[in-house]
Amino acid sequence: GGIITQTPKFLIGQEGQKLTLKCQQNFNHDTMYWYRQDSGKGLRLIYYSITENDLQKGDLSEGYDASREKKSSFSLTVTSAQKNEMAVFLCASSIETGGYEQYFGPGTRLTVL
Amino acid sequence: GDSVTQTEGPVTVSESESLIINCTYSATSIAYPNLFWYVRYPGEGLQLLLKVITAGQKGSSRGFEATYNKETTSFHLQKASVQESDSAVYYCALAGNNNAPRFGAGTKLSVKP
Repeated sequence: GGIITQTPKFLIGQEGQKLTLKCQQNFNHDTMYWYRQDSGKGLRLIYYSITENDLQKGDLSEGYDASREKKSSFSLTVTSAQKNEMAVFLCASSIETGGYEQYFGPGTRLTVL
Repeated sequence: GDSVTQTEGPVTVSESESLIINCTYSATSIAYPNLFWYVRYPGEGLQLLLKVITAGQKGSSRGFEATYNKETTSFHLQKASVQESDSAVYYCALAGNNNAPRFGAGTKLSVKP
């Protein structure tokens, strides 16, 4: 088995601040994802990466940057935190896109003051 | 675009009753959709419940079933007799072979003892 680790678990920032969330997986999966989940809502895709140094924009990429410098890690940067960005950010990985199961991390809860 | 619509929650049923959570999809850019049901039990992370990648096939897990119906673009989740331990949030998801999964809004299920 494997595990996905997200750090930090809780992130508190100031409006306008640049904030970085990190994700590590030891499944040796090629594909990694970042989703955002607002309270009571579904998951919205921000970015995904099908291999090291690859980045694909999702439906919600504006206001975010991502980086996949190693196969095992995928980071997400909120370029300028906004008050309405309080949400949980979920990282996931899978062997490939398509019909493969995604494995999810526990999430990072972002609060912007 | 590609999207998923599912039963709006919360849904409350009594133990041993039958359950259906509706899921319909729109796959305008996906030739061969892959369909999933994910579940989040209280206090746990998001995990795969079942998946079907071939139209006409049925997937099953933990007493739940879902049939991939290409004609009606549906993937409804059913269980003949629910248990209190089935209380959770259920998410329907859609992915193309070269696309990241997109998720529905989630359906919160509460099973009364």
